[in-house]
Amino acid sequence: GAVVSQHPSWVICKSGTSVKIECRSLDFQATTMFWYRQFPKQSLMLMATSNEGSKATYEQGVEKDKFLINHASLTLSTLTVTSAHPEDSSFYICSASLAGGPTLVHNEQFFGPGTRLTVL
Amino acid sequence: AQSVTQPDIHITVSEGASLELRCNYSYGATPYLFWYVQSPGQGLQLLLKYFSGDTLVQGIKGFEAEFKRSQSSFNLRKPSVHWSDAAEYFCAVGLPAYNQGGKLIFGQGTELSVKP
Repeated sequence: GAVVSQHPSWVICKSGTSVKIECRSLDFQATTMFWYRQFPKQSLMLMATSNEGSKATYEQGVEKDKFLINHASLTLSTLTVTSAHPEDSSFYICSASLAGGPTLVHNEQFFGPGTRLTVL
Repeated sequence: AQSVTQPDIHITVSEGASLELRCNYSYGATPYLFWYVQSPGQGLQLLLKYFSGDTLVQGIKGFEAEFKRSQSSFNLRKPSVHWSDAAEYFCAVGLPAYNQGGKLIFGQGTELSVKP
């Protein structure tokens, strides 16, 4: 159980175009989904936290108009990289937390397999 | 501020040898601690977690970790390393959901190479 998928697994696009990445929780409902960015040989950097039915909370330094996040249902969140440029090329990973878990503690995150974005 | 430090960027061990990956954290309350493994181009797989109780935690693939509050450490160990263990390992602290959004704070990662 607790499987998270991402689509596509890799994408190549031209500079100036927009790219949408989907994150789905396949066998559970996720109140909260997280989007991370990872550069080669580096750790994961949290970009934003997405709660179902509300606006995403972005980390400091992350452009909310550049990285649009939508969490319309308990099983789907999307990240759209708008007007992508080569510096947006990266590995994007999402994770999801189970709905209904205790809020006073940390709820375990389940990670997707990642999406490799290359902007030419 | 909360932080996680993995002092070793890269470790090389011989196949069959024992392994210990270090992790130190800075957190004011009882921490929720995790170890993840990542193969190249892949997502993260949870090896083990500590929430409370027994401070020696058993995980998958023969890994274990010991929580030592006095040392603010959560080191990962394996008695005999296999070539397939070569990967990137991340230690993380989980924050409470109610006031810190349930975020994970990751260490910088330790790359493990295994010599035949």
